[in-house]
Amino acid sequence: DSGVTQTPKHLITATGQRVTLRCSPRSGDLSVYWYQQSLDQGLQFLIQYYNGEERAKGNILERFSAQQFPDLHSELNLSSLELGDSALYFCASSVEGEWETQYFGPGTRLLVL
Amino acid sequence: GDSVTQMEGPVTLSEEAFLTINCTYTATGYPSLFWYVQYPGEGLQLLLKATKADDKGSNKGFEATYRKETTSFHLEKGSVQVSDSAVYFCALTRGNLIFGKGTKLSVKP
Repeated sequence: DSGVTQTPKHLITATGQRVTLRCSPRSGDLSVYWYQQSLDQGLQFLIQYYNGEERAKGNILERFSAQQFPDLHSELNLSSLELGDSALYFCASSVEGEWETQYFGPGTRLLVL
Repeated sequence: GDSVTQMEGPVTLSEEAFLTINCTYTATGYPSLFWYVQYPGEGLQLLLKATKADDKGSNKGFEATYRKETTSFHLEKGSVQVSDSAVYFCALTRGNLIFGKGTKLSVKP
């Protein structure tokens, strides 16, 4: 158990809908990262937050957004969902000053029908 | 851009066999290199890392050496166990982690 929690574990929705994925980092970790894992694209970095502020952006679509709250939990919002958004979404967190060592949550599996 | 290429799987071995999973990278400068492991139904876990050329990372019997001249970071284990069955990801840092596509390892008793 990495100490990073993600909810829900599974999510099934329809095209055009909007969903919110939630992540709680390990106690004391200020950085949160979101990744998408799909069969065709592999594991891709989406976005990083550090202590409530956006720190880095990767291959995140404009239909996707994220935020980190004062209690350091983070939410990833996916809107106007398409079939191709079906994937496993991971959240990770890291200790300040050791960002290269990231602790991953168990993931949320999203299926868009 | 920066990228990681690792051998396609799946790799199927018998217990106690020798394991090598090849990983090469393309990057400017000298990034840190990592191997992460994903067990079935779980998130990724850091297995080992190396931060500079000729460094050897090791953990749980797995080893990988940072080879600058061949831009490689191959993962090896002398004797695999059934419990090593998982997907292995090679990665480098470039402001964030860039992963290879993963190699699935199945170890049969």
